[in-house]
Amino acid sequence: GAVVSQHPSWVICKSGTSVKIECRSLDFQATTMFWYRQFPKQSLMLMATSNEGSKATYEQGVEKDKFLINHASLTLSTLTVTSAHPEDSSFYICSAIHPSGRYEQYFGPGTRLTVT
Amino acid sequence: QKEVEQNSGPLSVPEGAIASLNCTYSDRGSQSFFWYRQYSGKSPELIMSIYSNGDKEDGRFTAQLNKASQYVSLLIRDSQPSDSATYLCAGLEGIQGAQKLVFGQGTRLTINP
Repeated sequence: GAVVSQHPSWVICKSGTSVKIECRSLDFQATTMFWYRQFPKQSLMLMATSNEGSKATYEQGVEKDKFLINHASLTLSTLTVTSAHPEDSSFYICSAIHPSGRYEQYFGPGTRLTVT
Repeated sequence: QKEVEQNSGPLSVPEGAIASLNCTYSDRGSQSFFWYRQYSGKSPELIMSIYSNGDKEDGRFTAQLNKASQYVSLLIRDSQPSDSATYLCAGLEGIQGAQKLVFGQGTRLTINP
């Protein structure tokens, strides 16, 4: 149990376009999901907390109008990178809290975004 | 910002030996801690969680928590080359309903055959 999927696993887009990344919890319902980004050889950086049915909470320094998050159901959260630029190229990873009460967080496989 | 500190390594251990990974945290209010393993180019994988003082064993892995010293560790017995990865320590911080994990920078572990 506790499987989280992401789609797509990798994407290449042109500068100025928008990209949507989906995160799904496959075998459990998740009221809370998180979005991280990770640059090479660096640790995870939390971007935002996504709560089902409410607005996302963004970390300081993360532009909410650039990184749009929608958590429309208990198994799906989406991250849309709007007007992407080469500096947005990164590894984007979502995670979901398993409803076991122990706050165990399970990660999706990640999406590698390259903006040309 | 509450912190979780890890030695970034690299830590090199011969195959079959015990690998010891350490982590300290600054938030005395943190009650829950997690160890994740991350292979290069992949996402983190949860391997251990610990919530109370003492040891918790799962197969070849043992997590240790000492809240008085604000110290968490992970022991890997009978290390295998497949254990070579970056290990991330994380502490749970924040108030109920607004909690999040704070990660250390990770320790890169290499198991030498």
